Amino acid sequence: DAKTTQPTSMDCAEGRAANLPCNHSTISGNEYVYWYRQIHSQGPQYIIHGLKNNETNEMASLIITEDRKSSTLILPHATLRDTAVYYCIVRVLNQGGKLIFGQGTELSVKP
Amino acid sequence: NAGVMQNPRHLVRRRGQEARLRCSPMKGHSHVYWYRQLPEEGLKFMVYLQKENIIDESGMPKERFSAEFPKEGPSILRIQQVVRGDSAAYFCASSYDGTQYFGPGTRLLVL
Repeated sequence: DAKTTQPTSMDCAEGRAANLPCNHSTISGNEYVYWYRQIHSQGPQYIIHGLKNNETNEMASLIITEDRKSSTLILPHATLRDTAVYYCIVRVLNQGGKLIFGQGTELSVKP
Repeated sequence: NAGVMQNPRHLVRRRGQEARLRCSPMKGHSHVYWYRQLPEEGLKFMVYLQKENIIDESGMPKERFSAEFPKEGPSILRIQQVVRGDSAAYFCASSYDGTQYFGPGTRLLVL
């Protein structure tokens, strides 16, 4: 699975959009971009995933660049409860694909 | 649809005892993954199972650890003769189509 690079930490004001970047310059054509988050030692929570098109669900939007070498997770209106470590993971979408968690980005949403 | 269930949520064992951690996947999910998170460290893959089969155990310690996912009932992660270094949070995830959904975890404390 391709390696990802994320900033160690970010701050965001409550109510503003949080934009979390991820670089995955060695991504292969059949690898998806997945985002999870972990709120204070709870179980990781699935957020969203995509292959090459932008994706949106009730939690977030995922913007993938045309060359697929980077992506951005957008939380449109961050709340204090969005404070968490966010993990960007690239992997082939199959049942055998274990998730390899990097250091992630520690997002702090401040009042 | 209930999420992934894990029990117990907290488990205290003395050195040398056995720990049995249970994971009930989401309804309709036949793929189970176990991950471990040591204190102040990231999540590490341990083992991937399908019903009655171990598919990938590349992250399992060579001794004292075993996992099963029987035809009926939950998946079990078993740790024999626990040591203090086994103290960690153990997370289970299940999937149907490749996207993994995590349970709340079991916090194991070895005294």
